[in-house]
Amino acid sequence: DSGVTQTPKHLITATGQRVTLRCSPRSGDLSVYWYQQSLDQGLQFLIQYYNGEERAKGNILERFSAQQFPDLHSELNLSSLELGDSALYFCASSALGSNEKLFFGSGTQLSVL
Amino acid sequence: DQQVKQNSPSLSVQEGRISILNCDYTNSMFDYFLWYKKYPAEGPTFLISISSIKDKNEDGRFTVFLNKSAKHLSLHIVPSQPGDSAVYFCAASGNAGKSTFGDGTTLTVKP
Repeated sequence: DSGVTQTPKHLITATGQRVTLRCSPRSGDLSVYWYQQSLDQGLQFLIQYYNGEERAKGNILERFSAQQFPDLHSELNLSSLELGDSALYFCASSALGSNEKLFFGSGTQLSVL
Repeated sequence: DQQVKQNSPSLSVQEGRISILNCDYTNSMFDYFLWYKKYPAEGPTFLISISSIKDKNEDGRFTVFLNKSAKHLSLHIVPSQPGDSAVYFCAASGNAGKSTFGDGTTLTVKP
């Protein structure tokens, strides 16, 4: 158990809809990362937050947004969903947010039908 | 532009032999490198790391080698065990903080 909790584990929705993925980091970790893994591909970095502030941004679509709350949990919002958004979304956390190992949750499998 | 590349999508080895997984990177600003292991239906888990000031780091059966001039790192697993069968991801990070991952190599260790 990594200590990182992601909910829900599975999500099935239709095109055009909006969903929210939730992540609770390991106790004490200040940094949260979101990654997307499409079928048979690597982990694509989406966005990183550190202590409530956006720290780094990857190839995140404008239809996607995220935030980190004062209690350090994070939410990833995906809107106007398309078939191609179907993927496994991972959240990870780390203590300091730089040059250290990440602890991953078990992911949210999003299926857009 | 993929900054971290794992050119072998899969690798199959016999139990007890050595497994060597390779990774290349292009960004010279990367100064910290990590390997993660991923089983199906689970998130990746940290395996071993190396700082750019070193060229080798060992942890039990796992050794990571870094060749900075070639921008290449490798993970050696000796001896390989069936439980090592998983997807292995190479990752690199720098001052920007985020880790950039390769596409992964699926290792199969045959009994």
